[in-house]
Amino acid sequence: GIQVEQSPPDLILQEGANSTLRCNFSDSVNNLQWFHQNPWGQLINLFYIPSGTKQNGRLSATTVATERYSLLYISSSQTTDSGVYFCAVEGVASYDKVIFGPGTSLSVIP
Amino acid sequence: SAVISQKPSRDICQRGTSLTIQCQVDSQVTMMFWYRQQPGQSLTLIATANQGSEATYESGFVIDKFPISRPNLTFSTLTVSNMSPEDSSIYLCSVEEGPEAFFGQGTRLTVV
Repeated sequence: GIQVEQSPPDLILQEGANSTLRCNFSDSVNNLQWFHQNPWGQLINLFYIPSGTKQNGRLSATTVATERYSLLYISSSQTTDSGVYFCAVEGVASYDKVIFGPGTSLSVIP
Repeated sequence: SAVISQKPSRDICQRGTSLTIQCQVDSQVTMMFWYRQQPGQSLTLIATANQGSEATYESGFVIDKFPISRPNLTFSTLTVSNMSPEDSSIYLCSVEEGPEAFFGQGTRLTVV
């Protein structure tokens, strides 16, 4: 099955700093999503981005499908950005399921 | 996007007992998915539940331990049976709208 790696595993930022999170995947994918899991455990959809670039406020994401990676950019970070960021992919076969990466744990300190 | 309600949101249970988690969606969906997230870990798919048929379980998960019901197109339950402390996890249900997956708020289970 598809392998998904995320880096860095942990990140501590000062409020206001910018960061880039990376997701690498081992095979072609049909779907790729970024999620934020808040400290209460809820998964929040950030981006559906199998290819290309999208922006939503202080967050943006870019997926280069041919090179099998995706990047999530967080600008002007806030304490509410703290939590775990997951990349999840789904392969191209009809029987493929959603596979989650191990996540990046982000702590934004005032 | 679909609104997914899960309950309970959290519970503390005695070992050897069972807990049933409910998942309600505000629209009809063909498939519903159940995930487990062990402490400090990522999400792992337990099973896929189709209405009118038995759930399909992923490797490492069995029906006797995690029985699933899917009585209609908007509702599903997951039971965690004969619990042990190793079952302490967050359990999440999920649906797909087109290519996107959406999740309920999760059930945080602690087994003592």
